[in-house]
Order: sequence, then C-alpha cells, then structure tokens
Amino acid sequence: AQSVTQLGSHVSVSEGALVLLRCNYSSSVPPYLFWYVQYPNQGLQLLLKYTSAATLVKGINGFEAEFKKSETSFHLTKPSAHMSDAAEYFCAVRGNSASKIIFGSGTRLSIRP
Amino acid sequence: DAGVIQSPRHEVTEMGQEVTLRCKPISGHDYLFWYRQTMMRGLELLIYFNNNVPIDDSGMPEDRFSAKMPNASFSTLKIQPSEPRDSAVYFCASSLAGRETQYFGPGTRLLVL
Repeated sequence: AQSVTQLGSHVSVSEGALVLLRCNYSSSVPPYLFWYVQYPNQGLQLLLKYTSAATLVKGINGFEAEFKKSETSFHLTKPSAHMSDAAEYFCAVRGNSASKIIFGSGTRLSIRP
Repeated sequence: DAGVIQSPRHEVTEMGQEVTLRCKPISGHDYLFWYRQTMMRGLELLIYFNNNVPIDDSGMPEDRFSAKMPNASFSTLKIQPSEPRDSAVYFCASSLAGRETQYFGPGTRLLVL
C-alpha cells in the first residue's frame, strides 16, 4: 500500500532563510508524488508533482522537490522564504487507483519576520 | 475558467438536523472526490466518483453520511442526522482521467452545535 510520512507538523523559519519540508514515501509501485499547499481558509493547490521524469521537480512560487529513490524521500525546498509562504503543506502519493491520492498529515510552515 | 465550486461556504446547524453540501466540479472532469479535514484526523478521503458512479466509499464514516452524483456537473454530500463530531471543513475536488492532479474547491466549513 502507498503512504507518505511528513516529518514535523510545524516548521518555522526566518524570512529569507531556506525552507526544507520533509516527506518520505512508501509505494509498492513506481510512485507518483505531489506537494500541495493550503493557504488559510482555502482549498489545496498543487505546488508540484513527480511522475517518473526528471528527479528534480520545479513548482510554483520558487519551490522545488527532489525525488530520491534510495532514500524514499521527496523533500520540498525553497532557497529564500517569503512571508507569503506561510501555509500548510501536504505531501501526497498516488494510491492503488490511478486517480486516488493519499495525503500526508501536513506541515504548517510559519515565517518569522 | 471556473474552478471547483462548493456551497455553502459556511454552515452552522444544530445537532440532529440534516445538512447538505454541494459541489460543482470543473467542466469535463470525470472524477470527483469528497474529503473531510479536521485538526485531529487531518485530510480524509470520504468517497469518490468516476463518471457519476461511486467507486470507493470506504472512507464514509457512518450510515449518516451519503453522497450522490446525479450528473456530471453536480454532487451532494448529505449528513442526516448531524452530530457535533461532524464539525469539519469538507472539500470537494475533481480531476481528469489520466491526470493525477486534483483540483480542490474552497471548502465548506461545517459547525454542528
């Protein structure tokens, strides 16, 4: 069965600092992996996705994630945090059904001025 | 291009009352998902449809919950009778077959007193 584990329910960084949100996956088939972002009082929005092409995936708002099969990881990074990045971030993996997605528990990112 | 539309955005009701949440997926999408989000349990998939047919309802918590999709452009999630523990944000999402990306609506915030 497919699953994801997000390490750290809350991450706080200073504005301008590196953002690193950790995600490890488990999948019995080649994984399709996603990062979604949820801003306050809004629905989830796709940040980026990995579908077995390039291992370094670039997304919106300057975020990127690297697929590392040997580490079963798909960590999300951004070189320089901005106040507008404050949100909840969800890592996800495609489930057994091609259209079903399994979401992680989420990581809340706070940005300190 | 309109995204996923949900109504109402907020609902406050009393225990025992019937609640109906509505969703209009993105035109042309053939998958529709209902999720529930709470602080305690995170984001849970309740049920999803393909071409208006329920495919997996294993996430529906109890018989008090029911979902229908009478046509490609409309779905409802009904709770009857409602209980305080049903208080949550309910999201609807849609996707296109062969495309893993799900597009989320803004959610309905339900409070059962």
